[in-house]
Amino acid sequence: GQQVQQSPASLVLQEGENAELQCNFSTSLNSMQWFYQRPEGSLVSLFYNPSGTKQSGRLTSTTVIKERRSSLHISSSQITDSGTYLCAMEEDNYAQGLTFGLGTRVSVFP
Amino acid sequence: EAAVTQSPRNKVTVTGGNVTLSCRQTNSHNYMYWYRQDTGHGLRLIHYSYGAGNLQIGDVPDGYKATRTTQEDFFLLLELASPSQTSLYFCASSDPWVNTGQLYFGEGSKLTVL
Repeated sequence: GQQVQQSPASLVLQEGENAELQCNFSTSLNSMQWFYQRPEGSLVSLFYNPSGTKQSGRLTSTTVIKERRSSLHISSSQITDSGTYLCAMEEDNYAQGLTFGLGTRVSVFP
Repeated sequence: EAAVTQSPRNKVTVTGGNVTLSCRQTNSHNYMYWYRQDTGHGLRLIHYSYGAGNLQIGDVPDGYKATRTTQEDFFLLLELASPSQTSLYFCASSDPWVNTGQLYFGEGSKLTVL
């Protein structure tokens, strides 16, 4: 089965609303990362977050390794936040690539 | 900022055709990866490399070859392309000794096999 579960699969927001995206892992992990995929397909690294909380502008990532979960909080959403958010885990054996979730598609409307 | 450049960005070929996707990174990263992205499957690892001349098999390697000619250049080869290989392909690089394991992606290469 899927080792990385993301929820919700999709999310519709009105501009200004906050959102919480979840990522759960079924195996032990070394660290995790969050990516943003633009509507045209390109990928942007948001957070490399082995544990704890990191903030960048309106985005906050929180990872709790022992609970095998991570979340991405978007505050005061903007239309330009629309796209797909992917989380990925790095298993204990580093450099064998990342295992990705299927993503959360976010649509922000005025 | 890490730079990873892929080419071509778009490619259309026919079944049985020969395709090479190229990737170059300019940040002296040791690790490079090829992923494919398909609806319902997310990103899946095809091949990866620890350095020039090294090649490791990923999760979905069937039908693909790869070659790492230099530290900067990583190629993905489809010698007999099939429609099932129609996908969006991403190259990525990282190096835990340089940037704490953060993964940097190229812009993606859209391949269509007719």
